[in-house]
Amino acid sequence: DTEVTQTPKHLVMGMTNKKSLKCEQHMGHRAMYWYKQKAKKPPELMFVYSYEKLSINESVPSRFSPECPNSSLLNLHLHALQPEDSALYLCASSPVAGPYNQPQHFGDGTRLSIL
Amino acid sequence: GQQVMQIPQYQHVQEGEDFTTYCNSSTTLSNIQWYKQRPGGHPVFLIQLVKSGEVKKQKRLTFQFGEAKKNSSLHITATQTTDVGTYFCAVTSGTYKYIFGTGTRLKVLA
Repeated sequence: DTEVTQTPKHLVMGMTNKKSLKCEQHMGHRAMYWYKQKAKKPPELMFVYSYEKLSINESVPSRFSPECPNSSLLNLHLHALQPEDSALYLCASSPVAGPYNQPQHFGDGTRLSIL
Repeated sequence: GQQVMQIPQYQHVQEGEDFTTYCNSSTTLSNIQWYKQRPGGHPVFLIQLVKSGEVKKQKRLTFQFGEAKKNSSLHITATQTTDVGTYFCAVTSGTYKYIFGTGTRLKVLA
């Protein structure tokens, strides 16, 4: 069982729709991440929140809008997506970094298809 | 930008054979992590290496960090069907910023 919960597991949406992906963790981690993973490729970092503040945005298009309402929740708001945005979206969390970055715990992901 | 290459890209082995994947960075690393992703699953953390020349073992898995801290390897002894999946190394490029390697997909034939 994963300790990071993502909903929904699958999402099909049209290019004009607005939807949100949700992620929740109760491990007390203060760093949370969104990744995009295409088939047979490694996960690509999109956003990082630390202490509920956006600390990294990897030049992600504005049609993806992250939100961290509190230390346990992470959302990814989607609007006007393109077919090439179809992918597995993974949420992860980790303890705060010390001398080194800490191991990440991943959710099962949301498999997103854009029609 | 920083590149992290893994070789081989794919490996098919007979059950009981050994397997090794190599991770190579273009820059010196502070630390390296290894993850396993089963087919249809999510990445699961295996181990972190931080010291030059460090070797760590987990049952049949042996992880090594190169002396120059630019490469790492994961060796599996006597593979089992449960070892099937894609193995990724991940390096850090600043606080909270992870770059995953290209991955090695392992198939184990029973």
